[in-house]
Amino acid sequence: AQTVTQSQPEMSVQEAETVTLSCTYDTSESDYYLFWYKQPPSRQMILVIRQEAYKQQNATENRFSVNFQKAAKSFSLKISDSQLGDAAMYFCAYGGSQGNLIFGKGTKLSVKP
Amino acid sequence: EAEVAQSPRYKITEKSQAVAFWCDPISGHATLYWYRQILGQGPELLVQFQDESVVDDSQLPKDRFSAERLKGVDSTLKIQPAELGDSAMYLCASSQYARTKDYEQYFGPGTRLTVT
Repeated sequence: AQTVTQSQPEMSVQEAETVTLSCTYDTSESDYYLFWYKQPPSRQMILVIRQEAYKQQNATENRFSVNFQKAAKSFSLKISDSQLGDAAMYFCAYGGSQGNLIFGKGTKLSVKP
Repeated sequence: EAEVAQSPRYKITEKSQAVAFWCDPISGHATLYWYRQILGQGPELLVQFQDESVVDDSQLPKDRFSAERLKGVDSTLKIQPAELGDSAMYLCASSQYARTKDYEQYFGPGTRLTVT
């Protein structure tokens, strides 16, 4: 069975600085996707960034980028130029052959002005 | 922009009572998911539909939970009887294609259930 581990329950970053959220996963599949979702307080979950396992190039979406290390089964999220609106729960998720998402327990990100 | 709709947003019920949640996915999305999210944890899949058929309900407590998507569009999740441990956020999500690993899941705002 696939598992997703987020070892940082909480993180804090100063506005305009950079923060990295960690995620590791375990799978025996070779073809899968990895996702980072953002869940602001009392608001719905939205996709931040997606990485296809067969692609070596790390995905980037504006201020958000990932460091995907397939052999190490590591998938970290880097947020550059942090903004107050980035404060939220961030969930790492695995999408494999079963068709559903397997989520980690999340990291609560606080952004200090 | 199209969104996944859920109702009610909040529900308080007494244990042993019945409760139902409704979800309307984005138009044209064939796959619908119900997740349960306990406070402080990530969502966990309860049931997955492909059109009107159940694809995966292995984690659904079938003695008290039921889900249906009769016409392959909107869906209802029911709990009867509710227990204290059912207090959680119930999230509905939809995707255009069957294989989530290929395409994004879009989430609704969720229903926050409190069982007293």
